[in-house]
Amino acid sequence: QKEVEQNSGPLSVPEGAIASLNCTYSDRGSQSFFWYRQYSGKSPELIMFIYSNGDKEDGRFTAQLNKASQYVSLLIRDSQPSDSATYLCAGSMEYGNKLVFGAGTILRVKS
Amino acid sequence: DAMVIQNPRYQVTQFGKPVTLSCSQTLNHNVMYWYQQKSSQAPKLLFHYYDKDFNNEADTPDNFQSRRPNTSFCFLDIRSPGLGDTAMYLCATSREGGRITGELFFGEGSRLTVL
Repeated sequence: QKEVEQNSGPLSVPEGAIASLNCTYSDRGSQSFFWYRQYSGKSPELIMFIYSNGDKEDGRFTAQLNKASQYVSLLIRDSQPSDSATYLCAGSMEYGNKLVFGAGTILRVKS
Repeated sequence: DAMVIQNPRYQVTQFGKPVTLSCSQTLNHNVMYWYQQKSSQAPKLLFHYYDKDFNNEADTPDNFQSRRPNTSFCFLDIRSPGLGDTAMYLCATSREGGRITGELFFGEGSRLTVL
C-alpha cells in the first residue's frame, strides 16, 4: 500500500512564528512531492513542490525533502492568521501526474 | 478566467437514487481526475482520464462510473449512492508535459450528501 502519512494536528502557532509541517511516505520510488493548502470547504491549491533532496524556498515557504529518510516537510515563516488551513502533502508515486495525498495537517495561527 | 468548474456545488440525494456530477475546464488540459474526499480524510483518487484513455483505480467501487465526451467535460456518475458516499467530490486537471509535473488544478468541489 503506497501511503503518505501526516500528523492530523491541529498545530497551533502564534502569529509571526515558524510553523513546521511534516510528512512521511512509504514508496521509495516516489519522484516528487507537493504541498497543497486547503481552506475549510474549499478545494486544494498548490503552494510548493519539490523534486530534489534538500531545501527549496519560495517566499515565506520552505520545502525540505530527504529521500533517504522518506521525509518531506514544509516550513512557514512569519505565520499569519490567513495561513490557518489544512495542509496536504502529496507524492507522485510514478512519473506523471497521479498523486497520492496524505490526510492533511490542520494549522491554526493565533493572532 | 480559465478555470475548472464543477456543478452542482451541493447535491442532496436519496439512498439509491442516481446522481451525476459534472466538471468542465477551459484550461485545455489533457488529464482530468476525480477525487473523493470524506471529512478530515485525504482526497482519494477514483479515476482519471489521460486524453480519452480511462484509468480506474483498483479500489474504486463499480458503483462509480465516469464519462469524458470531449476534452473540456468530464462526468462522475454514482449509480446507486449509499450513505458512505457522502463526501466532497473534487475534479482536477493537469497538463502532461506541463511546467510542473503533478500540479493539479482543482475545481471548487461538489459536496454530496446521501440521506
